[in-house]
This record gives sequence, structure tokens and C-alpha cells, in this order.
Amino acid sequence: QVQFVQSGAEVKNPGASVKVSCKASGYIFTNYAVHWVRQAPGQRLEWMGWINPVNGNTHYSQSFQGRVTFTRDTSATTAYMEVSSLRSEDTAVYYCTRDLFGSSEPFEHWGQGTLVTVSS
Amino acid sequence: EIVLTQSPGTQSLSPGERATLSCRASQSVSSSYLAWYQQKPGQAPRLLIYGASSRATGIPDRFSGSGSGTDFTLTISRLEPEDFAVYYCQQYGSIPKTFGQGTKVEIK
Repeated sequence: QVQFVQSGAEVKNPGASVKVSCKASGYIFTNYAVHWVRQAPGQRLEWMGWINPVNGNTHYSQSFQGRVTFTRDTSATTAYMEVSSLRSEDTAVYYCTRDLFGSSEPFEHWGQGTLVTVSS
Repeated sequence: EIVLTQSPGTQSLSPGERATLSCRASQSVSSSYLAWYQQKPGQAPRLLIYGASSRATGIPDRFSGSGSGTDFTLTISRLEPEDFAVYYCQQYGSIPKTFGQGTKVEIK
């Protein structure tokens, strides 16, 4: 079965960086784009963008362009999301999910979420 | 960017009652690429409805979706105790893929 297992919760100081991992299993990793979604406390879900595992091409939502970087390791079927220059507003749960690359699909399978807390 | 506005913000109902949730888009959602998700505290969202009206795998038939263009509705025909949660709509036909702000269905 399709499964995403994300790395554990993180607590970071303002200005630091954080890298969240998302280990995929149960499907052909390179057939699907990996998307990232952020949810700040009590807020709506925000789509951050995607990465194409085949070639590493990325697309970032305008709201997240500049401090967010998506990468992947195809041999490990793992996607990564890094946020640099962390601010208190980056405190949120970050989810990974997928859709069939090149198509419009809803997000049926989700990781369990990774809570990132930014606090001094 | 397509902005999705959900109403009401909170709906207080009793088990067995009918819930009707609305999602309005700022522009037409292409090919009815509109989904509904359920989210409970501490959990990831769960896909309920896609294509505006198709139930996802394993979703009970008390959940139904309707609508097209800019107006969409999620209906829960008879609320079960496990249905009290927050519901989000999402359009996935254009970039950025946007979500509504959510409707909380709480126990009256």
C-alpha cells in the first residue's frame, strides 16, 4: 500500500534551517510528483509546491519561493523539504503527498505530518 | 490564483442530522477538479470526494458532493459521531492548488 513516513518533530531557533524528509513506499517513486503542504496552527492548508522525482525539477508556490527547497533521493525513494532563515511564522505542520505527474489529481495519500516549531 | 471560500465557519449539529457545507470559488474550477477532505485533530487530511462528486475509496455513501463552476457542496446525510471534524475543499485543476479555510462540524 502507498505510504509516506515523515521525519520527526523539530524545534529550531529563528534564523536556522530545517530539513524534513518523506520516505515513500508502495508505488513507483518516479511516476508521481511529490507535493508539500503546510498547515500553521489553526490555519488552512497551504500548497507549497512539488518536485518531479525523475529529474528533480521543482515548482514553488509564489508564497514559498526563496526560502524553501525541495530535493529528492530516488535510490532511497525519499523527498526532502528544507526551509531556511526560519521565522516564527514558519511554525507549522508540514505534510508530503503525491499526484500522478502531468495530471490533475487530488491528494489521496498523505504523510503523517512533521511539526516544525520555531522559537527562541 | 483561485480563492476558495467555505461557509459556514462552524456548524453545530447533533448526530443523525444532515450537514451541508458550501465552497465558493473566485473563478470557475476547471473540469470540476474540486475535492473535499476531512481532518481530525492531530491527523493528516483524508480525501472524501474528488471531481466534485466522486467518492474516494472506502468513503461511506452518507458523504456526497455536488456542484460545478464556482459553487460546490458537501453533504453528510446523517452525521455519525466520527464525522465531527474540520472539512476543507480544494481545487486541484490549476496552479497554485488552493484550499478553502475549512468548516468545522461540531457536536451540538
